[in-house]
Amino acid sequence: AQKVTQAQTEISVVEKEDVTLDCVYETRDTTYYLFWYKQPPSGELVFLIRRNSFDEQNEISGRYSWNFQKSTSSFNFTITASQVVDSAVYFCALRASNTGKLIFGQGTTLQVKP
Amino acid sequence: DVKVTQSSRYLVKRTGEKVFLECVQDMDHENMFWYRQDPGLGLRLIYFSYDVKMKEKGDIPEGYSVSREKKERFSLILESASTNQTSMYLCASSPPGLAGEGGELFFGEGSRLTVL
Repeated sequence: AQKVTQAQTEISVVEKEDVTLDCVYETRDTTYYLFWYKQPPSGELVFLIRRNSFDEQNEISGRYSWNFQKSTSSFNFTITASQVVDSAVYFCALRASNTGKLIFGQGTTLQVKP
Repeated sequence: DVKVTQSSRYLVKRTGEKVFLECVQDMDHENMFWYRQDPGLGLRLIYFSYDVKMKEKGDIPEGYSVSREKKERFSLILESASTNQTSMYLCASSPPGLAGEGGELFFGEGSRLTVL
């Protein structure tokens, strides 16, 4: 069975703090893809990043960084120097290589206070 | 600008009514999906389609059906709406991406359905 767990339901930080959103996944596939999406208050999910299971290099994009560790089945997302505009619901998702379906975690609501 | 458009942002229906949620994408994508989003449960897949007239059940298909008569349009149908179908419904599409391809989903803005 495939599963994605985001144990943090809600996180509240003050602007300029760093924050890490956790994601743990379960799969028996050797080839798979991991995703992070952002859902701002407007409702539309916005794609942030995709990693495949063969690429464990960490990635940095501006204030965003992702730490993929197959040994612990985790794909954590860190926002550095958070801003109010980062307030949103963040979803981690898993896709097996032989299907187009994404399996989503429960989501983490991030509130960044000024 | 690529887009997935859902016909209604907000709907209020009564128990037993038949409900149609429409989704159109302009990206010529083969794959289309319907998810529902509920607090604490994340997004759960209802149905998906890899091609015109093809459909496959997702994780929670009970009480729903779908129609894909044209490539760009994927409709979700609630034959007899019930209060437990009150939810946010999200449509998504993706290019044909299986092994070796990215296949990220592009989402619409969602349709919030309330069943009274």
